[in-house]
Amino acid sequence: GDSVTQMEGPVTLSEEAFLTINCTYTATGYPSLFWYVQYPGEGLQLLLKATKADDKGSNKGFEATYRKETTSFHLEKGSVQVSDSAVYFCALHPNYGQNFVFGPGTRLSVLP
Amino acid sequence: GAVVSQHPSWVICKSGTSVKIECRSLDFQATTMFWYRQFPKQSLMLMATSNEGSKATYEQGVEKDKFLINHASLTLSTLTVTSAHPEDSSFYICSARDQRGNTEAFFGQGTRLTVV
Repeated sequence: GDSVTQMEGPVTLSEEAFLTINCTYTATGYPSLFWYVQYPGEGLQLLLKATKADDKGSNKGFEATYRKETTSFHLEKGSVQVSDSAVYFCALHPNYGQNFVFGPGTRLSVLP
Repeated sequence: GAVVSQHPSWVICKSGTSVKIECRSLDFQATTMFWYRQFPKQSLMLMATSNEGSKATYEQGVEKDKFLINHASLTLSTLTVTSAHPEDSSFYICSARDQRGNTEAFFGQGTRLTVV
């Protein structure tokens, strides 16, 4: 079945450091790919998405490129802030059915 | 973007009682809503898919008699945890997709349930 794998956390960075959170997926066909962010005690918020190969999603300085050849959708940010501290979930939505498939989440802590 | 409102955001109840959690899509219609459970420091586990006007579809291992789901309208789904026990304590999150087919899912803010 479809699945999403993320790098294990927690990830701890200093402010203004470069961030990469790896995400790879297994799916039939051509799923849409997403990054969601969850701040402490809150639900999930969509951070960015890409719906087809080579698309780049971007938002709030974060970006990720849909790489079909490597089945990856790595999240990057050039300079993280303390306010970016949260849990980040990579997810896919297959081109059939309705359910999303989530990765296990990666907790990011940014220190001042 | 679209808004999904979940209520209450937190609740404490005694063992043996039932708790109802509401999930509303505020500015779009959702024929399908999803209920997830999240354990501490873990990912979301899909519990069930709620379909407007019909029975919910439960994931394997989820007790349908314990987690009652009702999707009475295009904007409201409810999850009732019946005869709650301390092991039911968790963070429950709903999500909804616009019936017009937008692939994006919109999430409620979650409900933290504590059973004492």
